[in-house]
Amino acid sequence: GQSLEQPSEVTAVEGAIVQINCTYQTSGFYGLSWYQQHDGGAPTFLSYNALDGLEETGRFSSFLSRSDSYGYLLLQELQMKDSASYFCAVTLPLRGSARQLTFGSGTQLTVLP
Amino acid sequence: EAGVAQSPRYKIIEKRQSVAFWCNPISGHATLYWYQQILGQGPKLLIQFQNNGVVDDSQLPKDRFSAERLKGVDSTLKIQPAKLEDSAVYLCASSLVLPSGSRADTQYFGPGTRLTVL
Repeated sequence: GQSLEQPSEVTAVEGAIVQINCTYQTSGFYGLSWYQQHDGGAPTFLSYNALDGLEETGRFSSFLSRSDSYGYLLLQELQMKDSASYFCAVTLPLRGSARQLTFGSGTQLTVLP
Repeated sequence: EAGVAQSPRYKIIEKRQSVAFWCNPISGHATLYWYQQILGQGPKLLIQFQNNGVVDDSQLPKDRFSAERLKGVDSTLKIQPAKLEDSAVYLCASSLVLPSGSRADTQYFGPGTRLTVL
């Protein structure tokens, strides 16, 4: 089966940089995604890595190393509104063109003033 | 563009009762997913449809859970009878069908239905 490990909680101050790590035990996946979920809200897509390396989207960057079975989400210039849960997820192939996401347990980020 | 719609937003029932959730995906999205998210955990896939066919339901507790997607658009998820451990948020998501090897496969989630079983 697949398993993804993330820290359960991370705390940082406004304006700082924080890195949320994700280690996984799976193979044959298309890529690693990151989703953000505010309390009581829906998960929303942040970033996707199909290849090794860094993908940058504004203040958020995501990194993947398949050889190390490791990825991370980097949040820069933290803002209070970034306080949320962050989930890594692997995209797995199913039959035909179908794909499936398997999520980690999530990291609760708290941004302090 | 309208997002994924779900109803009801909240539901409280007693154990052994039945409950149904409804989902309307984003127009044109062929793939629809139902997830169960227990407090403090990540979403867990229950069932995945492509158009009106089931692609994967390996994690659906079929003795009590059922789902259908008639006409390949709206979907309903039913629990009968409910147990205490079914208390969770039930999320519906949808996505486009992409060619194999495409870059991204973004899923768009609805607001969820928070189910409390007493």
